[in-house]
Amino acid sequence: AQTVTQSQPEMSVQEAETVTLSCTYDTSESDYYLFWYKQPPSRQMILVIRQEAYKQQNATENRFSVNFQKAAKSFSLKISDSQLGDAAMYFCAYSGGSNYKLTFGKGTLLTVNP
Amino acid sequence: DARVTQTPRHKVTEMGQEVTMRCQPILGHNTVFWYRQTMMQGLELLAYFRNRAPLDDSGMPKDRFSAEMPDATLATLKIQPSEPRDSAVYFCASGFPNSGGEYNEQFFGPGTRLTVL
Repeated sequence: AQTVTQSQPEMSVQEAETVTLSCTYDTSESDYYLFWYKQPPSRQMILVIRQEAYKQQNATENRFSVNFQKAAKSFSLKISDSQLGDAAMYFCAYSGGSNYKLTFGKGTLLTVNP
Repeated sequence: DARVTQTPRHKVTEMGQEVTMRCQPILGHNTVFWYRQTMMQGLELLAYFRNRAPLDDSGMPKDRFSAEMPDATLATLKIQPSEPRDSAVYFCASGFPNSGGEYNEQFFGPGTRLTVL
């Protein structure tokens, strides 16, 4: 079974600084997707960024980028120029095989200090 | 702006009562997922449907939970009888295949916060 591990229950960053959230996963699949979801206090799950495993290039969305290391099964999220609105719970998620269901990590609570 | 809708947004009920949660997937999406979020277990998949057919409900307690899709615009999750340990946020998500036939994104509803007293 696939597992997703987020080893940092909480992180904090100063506004305008950069922070990296860690995620590792375990799978025997060769083709899969990885995601970072943001969950603010409103509870809405918001997709931040996704990475296809067959792509070597790391995904980037504005201030958000990932460091995808397939051999190490590592998928970290870097947030640059952190903003107060980035404060939220961040979940790393895996989707693979033929069922496309998401397996989530336990989440990392990010605090942004002004 | 297409969105997944869920009703009710909040539900407080007493132990033993039936609870029904509803989800309207985004029009055109043919896959619907039900997830549950608790502090202890995090986010976990309960069940999912493709083209209205149940594909996996291994995450659901079969004796009290049931999930159905009466039609393409409605998915329901029922708990009967409800128990305090069912208190959680229940999310519905929907997805569709891209041009390559892959499902690479799920769109989440706002969730139903259930409290069972």
